[in-house]
Amino acid sequence: QVQLVQSGAEVKKPGASVKVSCKASGYTFTSYGISWVRQAPGQGLEWMGWISAYNGNTNYAQKLQGRVTMTTDTSTSTAYMELRSLRSDDTAVYYCARVSRDGEGWFDPWGQGTLVTVSS
Amino acid sequence: SYVLTQPPSVSVAPGKTARITCGGNNIGSKSVHWYQQKPGQAPVLVIYYDSDRPSGIPERFSGSNSGNTATLTISRVEAGDEADYYCQVWDSSSDPHVVFGGGTKLTVL
Repeated sequence: QVQLVQSGAEVKKPGASVKVSCKASGYTFTSYGISWVRQAPGQGLEWMGWISAYNGNTNYAQKLQGRVTMTTDTSTSTAYMELRSLRSDDTAVYYCARVSRDGEGWFDPWGQGTLVTVSS
Repeated sequence: SYVLTQPPSVSVAPGKTARITCGGNNIGSKSVHWYQQKPGQAPVLVIYYDSDRPSGIPERFSGSNSGNTATLTISRVEAGDEADYYCQVWDSSSDPHVVFGGGTKLTVL
């Protein structure tokens, strides 16, 4: 079955960086893209950006430009999201989700989520 | 940026019909997708392309979209439907390109 499995929880200090992985299985990785969505405690869903696993094209939300980088490793069907210069308001559960190759449309399925806590 | 507006909460008795709205400027011209999220779990797609159901989603879940409002309808509501529901659109002219509604907490009385 189609599945996305994410790396484990992280605790980081303000100013540090975090890199979350998302390993895909059950489908042809390069036929789709991966979007990243985060959810702060008790809050709604916030889209962070998208990467095409086909050609590596990316599109990031303006508010994260310069702090976020999304990459893929097609040899292992794994996507990565790195967020730098972490602040306390980056504390959230980070999800990866499969999306169409050009980034449009719906997200299905989602990874189980990775809790990133930013605290001094 | 494009804005999607959902009611914070909707309450319904078991066996009745719940309707959750998602308002946006001319949303009828866009494709709307809906997600169900239970506490401590990742979101699950329940409706895509306004009204299509993924495999495994009960027929009790349906969707519509016209004018400035999209609607998720849950018929014969069960206790297990209690969750947060989010609408979502993709808009290339907006930043961010992907917009979520603020979410609606469905309470089964």
